Formats: sequence, C-alpha cells, structure tokens
Amino acid sequence: AQKVTQAQTEISVVEKEDVTLDCVYETRDTTYYLFWYKQPPSGELVFLIRRNSFDEQNEISGRYSWNFQKSTSSFNFTITASQVVDSAVYFCALSEARNSNSGYALNFGKGTSLLVTP
Amino acid sequence: NAGVTQTPKFQVLKTGQSMTLQCAQDMNHNSMYWYRQDPGMGLRLIYYSASEGTTDKGEVPNGYNVSRLNKREFSLRLESAAPSQTSVYFCASSEAPTGGSSYEQYFGPGTRLTVT
Repeated sequence: AQKVTQAQTEISVVEKEDVTLDCVYETRDTTYYLFWYKQPPSGELVFLIRRNSFDEQNEISGRYSWNFQKSTSSFNFTITASQVVDSAVYFCALSEARNSNSGYALNFGKGTSLLVTP
Repeated sequence: NAGVTQTPKFQVLKTGQSMTLQCAQDMNHNSMYWYRQDPGMGLRLIYYSASEGTTDKGEVPNGYNVSRLNKREFSLRLESAAPSQTSVYFCASSEAPTGGSSYEQYFGPGTRLTVT
C-alpha cells in the first residue's frame, strides 16, 4: 500500500503565483519523520526539510513554508511568489521508527511536477 | 567534500550482461542506500546497509546484489541485466539515527542505465 500519496501529478502556475503541493501519509507508528526533496531538471535530489512526528510547528524558510497536520496526516508544502527556478519535481517522503534496523529508509511519494512559466 | 559520488553516470547494457554501480560517500555516514527511479513511480528502495558489515533487502531487490565494501563504499551489482532494470539509480547516505532521530539522506547524482 502506498504510504505517501501526492495526488497532484502535475501543476502549472505563472510566475509570482503561490502554489501548494499536497502530501498525505499513512503510518501506524507514533514516531516517524517526514521529508521534502526537490529534483530539478538536472536530476539531482536536493533535501529541503525534515520534520519529526512530535514537532507540529509549521516552518518557513524564505519563500518556502510547510504545514504539518497530524490530524489529517498531511505535510503540505507552499511556495510563495513562485519563480521559474522553482520548476522541478517535488517528492514527499516518510521514514518510520519501525524501520530503525533499516537505517530509516525512505518511502517516497510519486512526486509532483511543478512548472512555473514566466 | 564531494558528498556522495556515483559511477558511471550513464551506461547501456545488452540483456544478460552484468555490471556494478559504484557509490562512495565522504561524510562518514553509517547508513547507505540504493534506490531506483522510474517514470511516475517515485523512488523505490532496492537495498540498504544500516551500518558497515550489514546489508538487507528493500522493496525491489530482485535481480540485484550489493556489497558494503567499507564504511565509505556501497556497490550495486546487476548479474544478468534485463530491460525491466532500465532506470535511474540513486545511491544515498545518512548518519545513523540516534536517540530516535532520523537524519536526512544525501543523494548522489544518479546513474542512468538502459538495458536493450
């Protein structure tokens, strides 16, 4: 069963628009970790944020912000005033405490492809 | 620091050929991973090594073997390549979780493999 669902396959926005990428996760663990990664057209995977299950504080980093809501099992990512350089595939991922012997391997969603046009 | 390096960057194989993908990290991380990325599928775990001297299967291990050569290096071997193994392969590493904290994984640049 898919543990991380990114329902939006592709999103297209015009520069300066705000955009929210959705992530819904599924776990029975009380201790778990959520991540967002960015994959630009060049192909590398860039770490953006880590959040553990005990910290529901929202986070803001420049134009990026993350909204973690345990009640709805969601960890959404918002880009404010999008720019062309934000065009990439964004992945949400889950790591569960039950996988401690596995070094906390990541379960990835299928990704959301964001296209920002001028 | 180079971070996580992978070789080769590109490779074309014929069905039945074998090859080894190399991965090395210079961040003194204990845990290393191999993932494959297919269009529309996200990344799926092939094998992992939680610490030096240990390896274990992930979600899609069939057709692959791994070797944790030392703390720095973790290789992935395809013994008899099949077209279904055409994919982009990523190696990653992370610090060993301590106190229940999971650390982010750092990824290599990937190897694009085509099997004809």
